[in-house]
Amino acid sequence: GAGVSQSPSNKVTEKGKDVELRCDPISGHTALYWYRQSLGQGLEFLIYFQGNSAPDKSGLPSDRFSAERTGGSVSTLTIQRTQQEDSAVYLCASSYRTGGQPQHFGDGTRLSIL
Amino acid sequence: DQQVKQNSPSLSVQEGRISILNCDYTNSMFDYFLWYKKYPAEGPTFLISISSIKDKNEDGRFTVFLNKSAKHLSLHIVPSQPGDSAVYFCAATFGNEKLTFGTGTRLTIIP
Repeated sequence: GAGVSQSPSNKVTEKGKDVELRCDPISGHTALYWYRQSLGQGLEFLIYFQGNSAPDKSGLPSDRFSAERTGGSVSTLTIQRTQQEDSAVYLCASSYRTGGQPQHFGDGTRLSIL
Repeated sequence: DQQVKQNSPSLSVQEGRISILNCDYTNSMFDYFLWYKKYPAEGPTFLISISSIKDKNEDGRFTVFLNKSAKHLSLHIVPSQPGDSAVYFCAATFGNEKLTFGTGTRLTIIP
């Protein structure tokens, strides 16, 4: 597709379970970002991948959160032992090159922890 | 530590009039600013941006103004249309990497 694709669009899970969220960036985009938006808040940076460089993980809120990007394309954000405060919309974005702007966003995954 | 602030959570404007959305920032290192528009259940869509070396950038009905000394930027939409009703986010970056977002302003255009 032409845009950033995220799956699933919605995820409901029980507290304590692990979840995986997937992001397919725009073809040819080398930079990939994960953000989350909690209720009533702005978007909060989580992690950034650029090519083969080590990712910038400075926004990950705890060690329960991790992400990988395989083959410089698809990325997976994993949350282990989910907590209710993890409930949010998780947004993925990509951009054309190192530090390229603007970032183009997917429609997000709405995660609800019961 | 909210480095990018949008102090108006909501704004209502008559159709055809000018909409002005404001954004303040505290980090003087920011060198690039963007506005995104977001509809419910969709991701943010890029609208317009401005580099810190400029004070104005215009694209059709949208103009962004940057006042570096005041650490303030604004988005002007004129004339406002019903389809402009959405949440608008201001974002800032330095070194062109991760974006720091404001909390958004919900704009409602009244027909």
